[in-house]
Amino acid sequence: NAGVTQTPKFRVLKTGQSMTLLCAQDMNHEYMYWYRQDPGMGLRLIHYSVGEGTTAKGEVPDGYNVSRLKKQNFLLGLESAAPSQTSVYFCASSSGTAKQPQHFGDGTRLSIL
Amino acid sequence: QKEVEQDPGPLSVPEGAIVSLNCTYSNSAFQYFMWYRQYSRKGPELLMYTYSSGNKEDGRFTAQVDKSSKYISLFIRDSQPSDSATYLCAMSSGNTGKLIFGQGTTLQVKP
Repeated sequence: NAGVTQTPKFRVLKTGQSMTLLCAQDMNHEYMYWYRQDPGMGLRLIHYSVGEGTTAKGEVPDGYNVSRLKKQNFLLGLESAAPSQTSVYFCASSSGTAKQPQHFGDGTRLSIL
Repeated sequence: QKEVEQDPGPLSVPEGAIVSLNCTYSNSAFQYFMWYRQYSRKGPELLMYTYSSGNKEDGRFTAQVDKSSKYISLFIRDSQPSDSATYLCAMSSGNTGKLIFGQGTTLQVKP
């Protein structure tokens, strides 16, 4: 049972570099989410998607872009990485609305020097 | 002021103790309340889910929601070393499923 898979697990970038984080789910879920987790801040929603081809902004969207070209995949892009984007990034998926639990991946640890 | 406040701890208790974890919130529109458990270097996993006010029990875990006081609690009975983790409260109001998380409380249960 793969559930939600995030790649890569670790990455170190230099300021100004770009990269894409990949999230894949095999549960046929409609809704997918990207969060970042920082010490003392809990998880904060970056962007989310309620279905293939749709995306929406969350609480902290600046500096990030997302795409949901396929139902099972949700990509998070950093066009020009900044040290403030050093964080642990989590992807989650759910089958529907607030009543449905979100299933999380194990995170991508990203350091930007 | 954050929408959801949670004491980060750390909280250290002996094995067998009753643990009480709490969150307060300011948005009266929240209707769905959850507790997630997160082990080190892992993603959060759903532990308890409650809709509106009331209590819910599942084994050693009890979740309480008091909407009049904007206060939710998670009780762990007969705590075990395997319960050592970070516990995150989360809340939602609408149909998008967007969750607002507390900061998380780190719990250590000592044998």
